[in-house]
Formats: sequence, C-alpha cells, structure tokens
Amino acid sequence: ILNVEQSPQSLHVQEGDSTNFTCSFPSSNFYALHWYRWETAKSPEALFVMTLNGDEKKKGRISATLNTKEGYSYLYIKGSQPEDSATYLCALTGTASKLTFGTGTRLQVTL
Amino acid sequence: EPEVTQTPSHQVTQMGQEVILRCVPISNHLYFYWYRQILGQKVEFLVSFYNNEISEKSEIFDDQFSVERPDGSNFTLKIRSTKLEDSAMYFCASRDYQISYEQYFGPGTRLTVT
Repeated sequence: ILNVEQSPQSLHVQEGDSTNFTCSFPSSNFYALHWYRWETAKSPEALFVMTLNGDEKKKGRISATLNTKEGYSYLYIKGSQPEDSATYLCALTGTASKLTFGTGTRLQVTL
Repeated sequence: EPEVTQTPSHQVTQMGQEVILRCVPISNHLYFYWYRQILGQKVEFLVSFYNNEISEKSEIFDDQFSVERPDGSNFTLKIRSTKLEDSAMYFCASRDYQISYEQYFGPGTRLTVT
C-alpha cells in the first residue's frame, strides 16, 4: 500500500510571503508525481505532473521539484496572493494508473 | 477548454436507497476513474474503467457499487443500498491514456446519506 504524506497540514501566510510544502512518498514503484490545486466547490486543477528524478517545473509563481531517489517533492509559491488560497494535493501514480493522494496542505493567504 | 462535468452537485438520500452519480468525461479520453473523499480524510481511489470494463478497483468498491458507460459519453457510479458511511464527496476523473499520466477531475458530487 502506497503511503503519501504531506506537510504541513495547513499554513497561514501574509500576502507577498513565499512558501513551500512537502510531499513524501515511497521511492519504489514510482511512475509519476502529481500536484493539484483544489478550491472548494471547484474541480481539483492539475498543476504539475513529474516523472523524472530531478524534474523541476514552473507555472507562473508556482514551481515544483522532484527527488525520486529519496522520495520527496517540494511545491513552492513565490509572493503568495489571496487567490492562491486553496488546498494543494500531492498524488502518486504507482504501478497501476490510479492516484494515491496525500492529505493535502491547506493554504490561506491574507492581506 | 474541455472539462469533466458531474451531476448532481449535491445529493441527499436515505439509508438503503439507490443513488446514481453521473459524470461526463472529456470526449477523447479513454480512461475513467471514481474517487471519493470522506470529510477530513484523504481522497481515495474507488475504481478505474477502460475499454468498457473495470481495470482496477479498491477494497471499498464492493458489490454495492457498480460503474457503467451506457452511451459513450456518460460514466456513472451506482450505489445500490446506501449506508451512512457512504457520505462523501465523489469525484470523477478522466485521462487521455495515450499521452500522459495526467487525470482531469470534475467538481464532485457531495453525497449525504441520512
């Protein structure tokens, strides 16, 4: 059974702060690591899919890195804005195509 | 931009009743999934569906659950006799199997069993 862990569980930052979250996972049977952004009452939005050790991806102020050998991924948000407030989900694709999710990190950005 | 849609957004039902949750995946996708999230818990996998048959299912997906793609566009999840513990947010997702691992999610159906 894959176990995906995320930390912290929740985070409260001020507008303009930069922040980062961690996703850890077992490094065996790894196929892909996904980051999703989920706002209440909306569809979880895919941010990144990463497959290769050392992958780094960026979308605007958000970026992510992947270390498959040690089993972790970081998500960074530079200069947080109130619209970044959401739950950020990490999920792993293992030997089957299903996603195994972490608990999520709930981010709140205030003015 | 194509998106996955789900209906209804909220379903309230009494214990023991049958419910059908509906999803319209992205039209050229080939792989379909149902997940659920019980309040306060992780999003968990229920079932995957490919080529008109179940490709994988979790322990949660017992005989009370079934999936169907009745008309080539809709993808449904049926719970035959709902229990209180089936109360959760149910998400449908689809994937273009040929291109990437990325799964596209619908907005979910909140099922409340009373």
